[in-house]
Amino acid sequence: GDSVTQMEGPVTLSEEAFLTINCTYTATGYPSLFWYVQYPGEGLQLLLKATKADDKGSNKGFEATYRKETTSFHLEKGSVQVSDSAVYFCALSPEGGYQKVTFGTGTKLQVIP
Amino acid sequence: DGGITQSPKYLFRKEGQNVTLSCEQNLNHDAMYWYRQDPGQGLRLIYYSQIVNDFQKGDIAEGYSVSREKKESFPLTVTSAQKNPTAFYLCASSARQYSNQPQHFGDGTRLSIL
Repeated sequence: GDSVTQMEGPVTLSEEAFLTINCTYTATGYPSLFWYVQYPGEGLQLLLKATKADDKGSNKGFEATYRKETTSFHLEKGSVQVSDSAVYFCALSPEGGYQKVTFGTGTKLQVIP
Repeated sequence: DGGITQSPKYLFRKEGQNVTLSCEQNLNHDAMYWYRQDPGQGLRLIYYSQIVNDFQKGDIAEGYSVSREKKESFPLTVTSAQKNPTAFYLCASSARQYSNQPQHFGDGTRLSIL
């Protein structure tokens, strides 16, 4: 079945540091890939998405590129801020209409001033 | 603005009691979902519904029940059969037939045992 593997957290960075959160997946065909962010006590919000190979999703300075050859969708940001502290989830939606979305276990990011 | 509303934000359950969590959406989405979130375990799917009057069990449906009588509403009942109900519950919705569409989430209900 489908699966998503994220790097374990927590990840602690100083403000303005470079961020990478690794995400790899297992699925047949060409799933759609997503990054969601969850702030304390809230639900998940879509951060960015990519729906086909080599697509780059971007939002609020975050980027992730859909790499079919390495089945990866790593999240990056060039300069993190304290306000980026949250839990980040990688997810995939299988190709071809509705099927169950698979989420990773989440990576907690803490940015210190 | 369109969105998903979950209520209440906090809920307490006594032993042997059923409790119902509310989820309402005004996004005109066909599909709705319930997830359970425990620390360090990500999201686990409880139930989902692709259309009114139809729903399917997810990975951890035991001890839970749902109904989908209206497109906008997908309430979740945590029954007394669920022996470990303490968790954060998230409701979500999406356009049904498009796999490239994201899920939209409510702000969750935190359920605790008295």
